[in-house]
Amino acid sequence: DVKVTQSSRYLVKRTGEKVFLECVQDMDHENMFWYRQDPGLGLRLIYFSYDVKMKEKGDIPEGYSVSREKKERFSLILESASTNQTSMYLCASSPHGGEQFFGPGTRLTVL
Amino acid sequence: RKEVEQDPGPFNVPEGATVAFNCTYSNSASQSFFWYRQDCRKEPKLLMSVYSSGNEDGRFTAQLNRASQYISLLIRDSKLSDSATYLCVVRSGGYQKVTFGTGTKLQVIP
Repeated sequence: DVKVTQSSRYLVKRTGEKVFLECVQDMDHENMFWYRQDPGLGLRLIYFSYDVKMKEKGDIPEGYSVSREKKERFSLILESASTNQTSMYLCASSPHGGEQFFGPGTRLTVL
Repeated sequence: RKEVEQDPGPFNVPEGATVAFNCTYSNSASQSFFWYRQDCRKEPKLLMSVYSSGNEDGRFTAQLNRASQYISLLIRDSKLSDSATYLCVVRSGGYQKVTFGTGTKLQVIP
């Protein structure tokens, strides 16, 4: 059974803190993605990676960075969290040209 | 114009009804199309891919109209368990990047 896991379901951080969101997939997929989902705005792509150590900016990369040192792991980093980064963060993976499989999401609140 | 547009709904339909959603896309070079389903407080999951010739999976039928740049999802004999948000997804260009619509909420009423 395919599986994408995220390090936390719920996270509360303070403004200015550095935040790490981890995502691991066990399907040997080449591609991995980070999205945020907000009411009325849908899923918006932050960053994606199509190979180890490769990354591409999505639609809203400002305030975020990513790291992919191993094929199965894709990390999202908020260098200095702000209140407007309060959101649901969803990680996904896919083979090239294939279906995206999502993790359960991390609901991040920045106070 | 948004890359992918959907009517947010909600569509409130009685059990057993047939309901259809459309989704328009702006990039005529778009290559792949999908419908995902997202239950409340859950992650999106693939419902079905959309093929050029149209495709059916049980009570669900998906169609693509390239000339008018829209895809559709038809649900026949609606069940209570069909209540969810349906996301239209479009892949364009040579990248693996896809664009999600904001979703159409369906509520099937007893």
